[in-house]
Amino acid sequence: QVTLKESGPVLVKPTETLTLTCSVSGFSLSNARMGVSWIRQPPGKALEWLAHIFSNDEKYYRTSLKSRLSISKDTSKSQVVLTMTNMDPVDTATYHCARGYFDSLGNYYFDYWGQGTLVTVSS
Amino acid sequence: EIVLTQSPGTLSLSPGERATLSCRASQSVSSSFLAWYQQKPGQAPRLLIYGASSRATGIPGRFSGSGSGTDFTLTISRLEPEDFAVYYCQQYGNSWWTFGQGTKVEIK
Repeated sequence: QVTLKESGPVLVKPTETLTLTCSVSGFSLSNARMGVSWIRQPPGKALEWLAHIFSNDEKYYRTSLKSRLSISKDTSKSQVVLTMTNMDPVDTATYHCARGYFDSLGNYYFDYWGQGTLVTVSS
Repeated sequence: EIVLTQSPGTLSLSPGERATLSCRASQSVSSSFLAWYQQKPGQAPRLLIYGASSRATGIPGRFSGSGSGTDFTLTISRLEPEDFAVYYCQQYGNSWWTFGQGTKVEIK
């Protein structure tokens, strides 16, 4: 059974650094067909992709946030970590991690998602 | 960066009616990398359609996807009460992932 679960602070202050952890089970972060993305959703707004890490440790970031984001993984712990520096109230959102999957036909999609964790940025 | 534009923003329909949701890309998207998700309040998105037209595991046959290039469509043939939700299209290309802004399907 594949699961992803996000954890991290509920409240951060402006200018602080946010660190979120995605703990996965039911698959290995070293599986070549799989990667993990972080995706956020401000209250009442659309989904916004932030960052992705592939099994070979290739990393990709949303261009507009690239200077503030860092994604990493610990395969032995089955965890993917996202850090976002210099947090601002506009970064208030539910942060989801999701598994990206390349199937045998070459399709790529997010097939499993974590429930998400709401992060509020406020002093 | 590929921008996905979904229309309409809101679709007001009655149970049993047909829903047609559009997703238009600012440049051509590989069908292999076009997916649709359903999201209900307080829940994570759920994969409905991948590869533009393949239903994900457990998704009822009333959901279908079509399209290619820059124009993609999600169709719900007969709306069930549990189908009223927000639907997002999403693409992957050049190591960049994009979501549309969503279409809300609400009860009329």
